Amino acid sequence: HVQLVQSGGEVKKPGASVKVSCKASGYTFTGYGITWVRQAPGQGLEWVGWISTYSGDANYAQKLQGRVTMTTDTSTSTAYMELRSLRYDDTAVYYCARETDSWGQGTLVTVSS
Amino acid sequence: DVVMTQSPLSLPVTLGQPASISCRSSQSLVSSDGNTYLNWFQQRPGQSPRRLIYEVSTRDSGVPDRFSGSGSGTDFTLKISRVEAEDVGVYYCMQATHWPQTFGQGTKVES
Repeated sequence: HVQLVQSGGEVKKPGASVKVSCKASGYTFTGYGITWVRQAPGQGLEWVGWISTYSGDANYAQKLQGRVTMTTDTSTSTAYMELRSLRYDDTAVYYCARETDSWGQGTLVTVSS
Repeated sequence: DVVMTQSPLSLPVTLGQPASISCRSSQSLVSSDGNTYLNWFQQRPGQSPRRLIYEVSTRDSGVPDRFSGSGSGTDFTLKISRVEAEDVGVYYCMQATHWPQTFGQGTKVES
């Protein structure tokens, strides 16, 4: 069955970078894009971006443009989301999803001094 | 960006009774390919979101048939025919027709 397993929680200082991984299994990785969504504590869902696992083309939320990069490694069926110059308001649970139909367990990224 | 507006934001429900959530978009969600990419998600407390409905009205596999989606253009609705205890959580609409994709604010369903 389809499974997306994300890397563990991270604590970072303001200005640092974080890279979250999302390992997919149970389907042909390059047949579906990967969507990233985040959720700040007690808040709603926010679309972060999407990457084509076939071409590597990506679309990002404008507010994160220049700070976020999504990549994939088709040899290991793993997607990555890197966020740089972290701010306090980047503290959130980051989810990956196969398009939108199957979701990872989430990765808590905490930005704290 | 397309703004998705849900109402109500809080929905007290009675078990066994119907419930309905509205979602309106700031522009038409009809794609150039003729499809309408409007999804509904359920998020139970402490869990990842789960997609219930895609393309307005198609239920995902395993989703109970008490959930139904309808609408067109800019106006969409998620209905629960008879609310069960396991339906408590937050429901989000999301449009995937236009970049960037955007979510509604969420509707908290509570008994």
